[in-house]
Amino acid sequence: GAGVSQTPSNKVTEKGKYVELRCDPISGHTALYWYRQSLGQGPEFLIYFQGTGAADDSGLPNDRFFAVRPEGSVSTLKIQRTERGDSAVYLCASSLNEGGSPLHFGNGTRLTVT
Amino acid sequence: QQQVKQSPQSLIVQKGGISIINCAYENTAFDYFPWYQQFPGKGPALLIAIRPDVSEKKEGRFTISFNKSAKQFSLHIMDSQPGDSATYFCAASKDGGATNKLIFGTGTLLAVQP
Repeated sequence: GAGVSQTPSNKVTEKGKYVELRCDPISGHTALYWYRQSLGQGPEFLIYFQGTGAADDSGLPNDRFFAVRPEGSVSTLKIQRTERGDSAVYLCASSLNEGGSPLHFGNGTRLTVT
Repeated sequence: QQQVKQSPQSLIVQKGGISIINCAYENTAFDYFPWYQQFPGKGPALLIAIRPDVSEKKEGRFTISFNKSAKQFSLHIMDSQPGDSATYFCAASKDGGATNKLIFGTGTLLAVQP
């Protein structure tokens, strides 16, 4: 079956620009997570959704980062006024529920801010 | 503050040998300890996970050993194969929080030589 799909796979943008990263979770998965992985590091938690609502956004680094999941399926991570330090792989993951079911990651969007 | 410390940073093992990766954690509230495998250009994939009510869990060639008093857990890969060459991440999450709101270690790059 289809896994977690993320688009685009690569995004190059100039400093100061706005970007949107899209995530299509596995069908039927109610929990959706965003993580960020810098080169040579483990993923870092950003935000997670249970259904349409952001249940925990404590990992978002600042108010330039925002994420939505309006219909409880597809999610978009939005970054305003991008900075070079935002360059990383942004990983989306989903799980059937938040009760300990396995987390399935997408292949990520590699964001490069020049 | 690094809450999950992973070692070694890299590991070279001969085909058929045993690969051992170690992690130590600080927060005694952690109660879910998964290991993820990541190939270049791909998202992490759940390999095996353990909760602190058991000291060992085995799935095929992969075993987690857990030492609650020492706050340490390790991954053992028996009969290591070249196809196991990847980066391995340990992770942990807290009781009472989202199970998949994970804190990852920094990763171990495993190379299995034929």
